[in-house]
Order: sequence, then C-alpha cells, then structure tokens
Amino acid sequence: GEEVAQTPKHLVRGEGQKAKLYCAPIKGHSYVFWYQQVLKNEFKFLISFQNENVFDETGMPKERFSAKCLPNSPCSLEIQATKLEDSAVYFCASSPRGAAADGNTIYFGEGSWLTVV
Amino acid sequence: AQSVTQPDIHITVSEGASLELRCNYSYGATPYLFWYVQSPGQGLQLLLKYFSGDTLVQGIKGFEAEFKRSQSSFNLRKPSVHWSDAAEYFCAVAPYSSASKIIFGSGTRLSIRP
Repeated sequence: GEEVAQTPKHLVRGEGQKAKLYCAPIKGHSYVFWYQQVLKNEFKFLISFQNENVFDETGMPKERFSAKCLPNSPCSLEIQATKLEDSAVYFCASSPRGAAADGNTIYFGEGSWLTVV
Repeated sequence: AQSVTQPDIHITVSEGASLELRCNYSYGATPYLFWYVQSPGQGLQLLLKYFSGDTLVQGIKGFEAEFKRSQSSFNLRKPSVHWSDAAEYFCAVAPYSSASKIIFGSGTRLSIRP
C-alpha cells in the first residue's frame, strides 16, 4: 500500500493480558521501525527490522516485549503480561532503503493506542 | 548527549499571521534534521527534512525551515497560517551514531486564533 497501516487503532487490555499490534509497511519498503509514545511529547525507539531480520533492537525492553517481521505477513509487536506503564501510542514506520541516519525518509503510520487498565 | 530542544511548549497565532517554531539541537556534527506534524489522533506526517545543500528547505503545506549551523538551529516557518495548521509540531534529528533512532524534541503545540 501507499501508507503504513497499523492495526488495531485502539486496544484495551487488562493488566497482565497480552497485547499484539500489527504493522504493514509501505509496499516496497524493506525497513520497519517501532516507536513508543508514552507521554504526548516523548518518543522512544524500540526496534527496527531490515526485511525479516532485526536491524537494531537497542531500545527494546528486555522483558515482555517481542517483535517479528515475517515474509508475506504484517510485522507485529507483542507485549506479554501488560503493565499500566505500557499504556502508550505505538507507532510503526517504514523506509525504502534504511535508517534516517543514512539519509532516508521515514514514513510513520497513524499509531496504535494501547490502554492498559 | 544528543538532544533536540523546542523551547516553546504552546504557541497561539492568529489565522493569516506568520509563524516561526524554534528548534535547537545538540550534536557534534550536522545531523539529518526533520520536522513532523501530528494532528489530534493522527500519526506523524513529515513536513520537511534537511540532509545537506541549500540551508533553506521547502516542505509541504507551505512550510519551510532554515538550517543555521552557527546557531545549531532548524526553525520552522510559514508566512500565513491556516486554521487547519493547528497541531503538534515535532523537530527531530537522526544522529549518525545510531542506525535507527530518530530523536524527537518535546513538541510545540500550535493553536490558531480565528
């Protein structure tokens, strides 16, 4: 598609439940990035993929968080045993050839709003 | 440490008036610079970017930004704002030291006075 598509737009989970978010990058884009917006003005990088391979996972929490990008499937971000502090907007982004630091434009999706109650 | 500073938390301008949103970065070399806009309930839309070359860059929706190396600034401007410009604006940098990270500023909320 012509835009980064994220589903679901809104997700509510009870504390301790699993949450799974999906992202379909723009067609032809081989890099996918996940960001977490906890407070309105605070973005945290989580993980990036080059095709199905992890490119950079330095921002990924060690526990409970996992992500995948499998061939012919949307990428996914999964949170096991959610906690209240996981409530955030999770943005997926994609780029055709690489990271912003290499001069590539990163295109963001509209985000998935996760509320943990 | 690398950082991006947007000193104005909230700005209100009248429709039709000019706009300048400030952005300063702290980084050893010239990083790649971006401005994104986030409308309520929406994702991040890229307004413009600076990688190299002409220090005045044109973006979408009539926005422009000027890179000033001496001031480590990348301020966003628009000659005449429209009510639809009301949104949150984020300045961001992509440092060379990290392959994937984009470091965002804290954002400036723009309100438009009718």
